[in-house]
Amino acid sequence: AQKITQTQPGMFVQEKEAVTLDCTYDTSDQSYGLFWYKQPSSGEMIFLIYQGSYDEQNATEGRYSLNFQKARKSANLVISASQLGDSAMYFCAMRTRLYNFNKFYFGSGTKLNVKP
Amino acid sequence: GAVVSQHPSWVICKSGTSVKIECRSLDFQATTMFWYRQFPKQSLMLMATSNEGSKATYEQGVEKDKFLINHASLTLSTLTVTSAHPEDSSFYICSARGGGGTPTEQYFGPGTRLTVT
Repeated sequence: AQKITQTQPGMFVQEKEAVTLDCTYDTSDQSYGLFWYKQPSSGEMIFLIYQGSYDEQNATEGRYSLNFQKARKSANLVISASQLGDSAMYFCAMRTRLYNFNKFYFGSGTKLNVKP
Repeated sequence: GAVVSQHPSWVICKSGTSVKIECRSLDFQATTMFWYRQFPKQSLMLMATSNEGSKATYEQGVEKDKFLINHASLTLSTLTVTSAHPEDSSFYICSARGGGGTPTEQYFGPGTRLTVT
């Protein structure tokens, strides 16, 4: 079975500080992709960062980096220098070779609040 | 990046009526489209997957006769909620995937908020 777990329902961070959002996953497939999406109150899903299971280096996209620890099956999102606009829901997701990489498995989400 | 639109962005309908939600890929051909449902403060749950020109594949527990999905062209998929009830009130999000092989090539629409009174 494929599963994504986000254990932090809500997080607070001070503006300009870094924050780590946790994500663990479970899959028997050797080929998979891990994603992070941001969902502001408007509801749109904004793609942030992607890590492939065979990628040896951690993915980075601007202020976002993904701390990929394959043996521990974790894919934590690190946001550096938090901004007020980062306040939103954040979802970790996974796609595997099963179902031809089509099917997303989403975690339950973490609501991030950035304090001024 | 590619753009996926949804129409309407929000809709209110009376119980017992049907409502249609459109999902369009604006600048690419979407060979596969997906429909998700999201209840307040919850995660996205995949409802069904549709490939152009073929019947949709529904996830377990999703009533295919209630949630009719049509993927008539490579740029348009529709979700029709038939005989809507208040418990169908939710946020419906579509996503679309082209024929390319890049892992990130699946784009989400902005969502449609359905309220059934």
